Amino acid sequence: EPEVTQTPSHQVTQMGQEVILRCVPISNHLYFYWYRQILGQKVEFLVSFYNNEISEKSEIFDDQFSVERPDGSNFTLKIRSTKLEDSAMYFCASSVRVFLFNYGYTFGSGTRLTVV
Amino acid sequence: EDKVVQSPLSLVVHEGDTVTLNCSYEVTNFRSLLWYKQEKKAPTFLFMLTSSGIEKKSGRLSSILDKKELFSILNITATQTGDSAIYLCAVVPLFTSGTYKYIFGTGTRLKVLA
Repeated sequence: EPEVTQTPSHQVTQMGQEVILRCVPISNHLYFYWYRQILGQKVEFLVSFYNNEISEKSEIFDDQFSVERPDGSNFTLKIRSTKLEDSAMYFCASSVRVFLFNYGYTFGSGTRLTVV
Repeated sequence: EDKVVQSPLSLVVHEGDTVTLNCSYEVTNFRSLLWYKQEKKAPTFLFMLTSSGIEKKSGRLSSILDKKELFSILNITATQTGDSAIYLCAVVPLFTSGTYKYIFGTGTRLKVLA
């Protein structure tokens, strides 16, 4: 079964450093998302992306965050200057259409980001 | 503000028990409600519910939506230790941006003891 692949599975970084989280969505999918889950808290929407541009972003997704689809297969989330509160599990997701009537979109297994 | 509330927050049962997980929501323009199972990492899709009163079933799991009372339940019968996971409820509002975002509840942590 096709999967959304995220790398690395765990990243530790120093506060103030830039990190890039990588995702390879399912190959024929067109809609891409990033969510995050701070330990013990809800999964929260960060951003959605379609046709090489951001469709919607949450209040969390400030100027420190950016997304890119650099080569038609990868979908990246960059955090320019990490803060302690960016420590979370980051999930990438994708879907083939904007809305599927019987299926949710497919999530990757996540990258655990720890900022020290 | 759109809100999804799940209850209970955690639950411990024995194998063979039946459990009912609850999800209530307040969303300005409702499109659908989804249930996911989160074991170690990636949430995996269980059900999507769009219409009231129509039960969806998959093996021992079933779910139903009540759009009048704004809630859904997820039932698991004859629980097994493999059902131990966090069960997430997410609501999809009607979109204005061109894509659909999910609004998640806090999840219900289910532990099934052998």
